[in-house]
Amino acid sequence: DAGVIQSPRHEVTEMGQEVTLRCKPISGHDYLFWYRQTMMRGLELLIYFNNNVPIDDSGMPEDRFSAKMPNASFSTLKIQPSEPRDSAVYFCASSPQGQGFAEAFFGQGTRLTVV
Amino acid sequence: AQKITQTQPGMFVQEKEAVTLDCTYDTSDPSYGLFWYKQPSSGEMIFLIYQGSYDQQNATEGRYSLNFQKARKSANLVISASQLGDSAMYFCAMRTAAGNKLTFGGGTRVLVKP
Repeated sequence: DAGVIQSPRHEVTEMGQEVTLRCKPISGHDYLFWYRQTMMRGLELLIYFNNNVPIDDSGMPEDRFSAKMPNASFSTLKIQPSEPRDSAVYFCASSPQGQGFAEAFFGQGTRLTVV
Repeated sequence: AQKITQTQPGMFVQEKEAVTLDCTYDTSDPSYGLFWYKQPSSGEMIFLIYQGSYDQQNATEGRYSLNFQKARKSANLVISASQLGDSAMYFCAMRTAAGNKLTFGGGTRVLVKP
């Protein structure tokens, strides 16, 4: 398997523009997580899905952020409108259901810069 | 609610020596799993080691071992015989049976000196 695939790897956009980040989880994984990483706030969980259903979106900073998982092999995180303070690295991770607690496998991340 | 705390923002370690990274957690769920991840300067997140709350033995993976003290709610990572390639950020994380969300601590930056 190719692992968790995120696109784009880098995104530079102007304030006010819509940004869409994409994630393809590992096939067969039931959980998908979206994280944001900044120097100031560390690694924050934004939202996570189980079997394509959002379970907890309490980490989504505000209404400008939305996430969808239309099927088991694709998820998007959208920011509209984007602001400079949204600049961060956004990670997607997936994990299987399994027995006990499985580790999450991370994508390479999308580095977002909003100017 | 679940919470992970890493109190050491950064530390130096001499090459070939051992280093202990602290992690304390808080949850009311009796069933949980604890993880350590490494993030080198290249940015990827690499899974290192896992400890389940009901595991009787401390987890070990090569040079990594987890000092699990359940009563104290601590899960410290020990890296033995440090190498220059161990220089990275290290994150402690937890999943609980309630929801299975994966929550991370603030991380500890380790710099290995030659």
